[in-house]
Amino acid sequence: NAGVTQTPKFQVLKTGQSMTLQCAQDMNHNSMYWYRQDPGMGLRLIYYSASEGTTDKGEVPNGYNVSRLNKREFSLRLESAAPSQTSVYFCASREWGFGGELFFGEGSRLTVL
Amino acid sequence: SQQGEEDPQALSIQEGENATMNCSYKTSINNLQWYRQNSGRGLVHLILIRSNEREKHSGRLRVTLDTSKKSSSLLITASRAADTASYFCATDFGSSNTGKLIFGQGTTLQVKP
Repeated sequence: NAGVTQTPKFQVLKTGQSMTLQCAQDMNHNSMYWYRQDPGMGLRLIYYSASEGTTDKGEVPNGYNVSRLNKREFSLRLESAAPSQTSVYFCASREWGFGGELFFGEGSRLTVL
Repeated sequence: SQQGEEDPQALSIQEGENATMNCSYKTSINNLQWYRQNSGRGLVHLILIRSNEREKHSGRLRVTLDTSKKSSSLLITASRAADTASYFCATDFGSSNTGKLIFGQGTTLQVKP
């Protein structure tokens, strides 16, 4: 049982390049989330998907797009990467709506030069 | 701005002592959760307290919630070196089918052997 799997684990981009972070969960969870973590800032919610077919903005959505491909997968895309997007990105999932714990992936460390 | 704010930002204690971390939030919540993060890893859920609960225990963890003050505290009793980690509160609010979970900035705990 892998839980939440993120790929890639590490990535270096140049300013203006695009990339997609992939996330998959095998726990049959309805809700999935993308967070970024920066030193001293804790985790900030980028986008989330309460259920398959829906996505909503979080605290810091600018510069990102998401796709809930199916119930298992939730991807995060950077169309034109900027140095300010250098961060560690975490994907998480949980059962429907609120009231349950989040299960996190191990993170994807992204550096934009 | 972030929903949750934690205090202190950093805490250093000796093994065997108790550690207390506080979390304040801004808007009404459905529940509040505490997570732990070891260096370089994803977050792991510790405990959840619902808005109609005032105190909850789990092993050496004790969580309190004061909705009138919009604050929560996490107490770790008889700390161990293995408790060294960052601890985050997360507030769970929104309607039943949206489930937005917002994290605080975290408290870094160092337990010295």
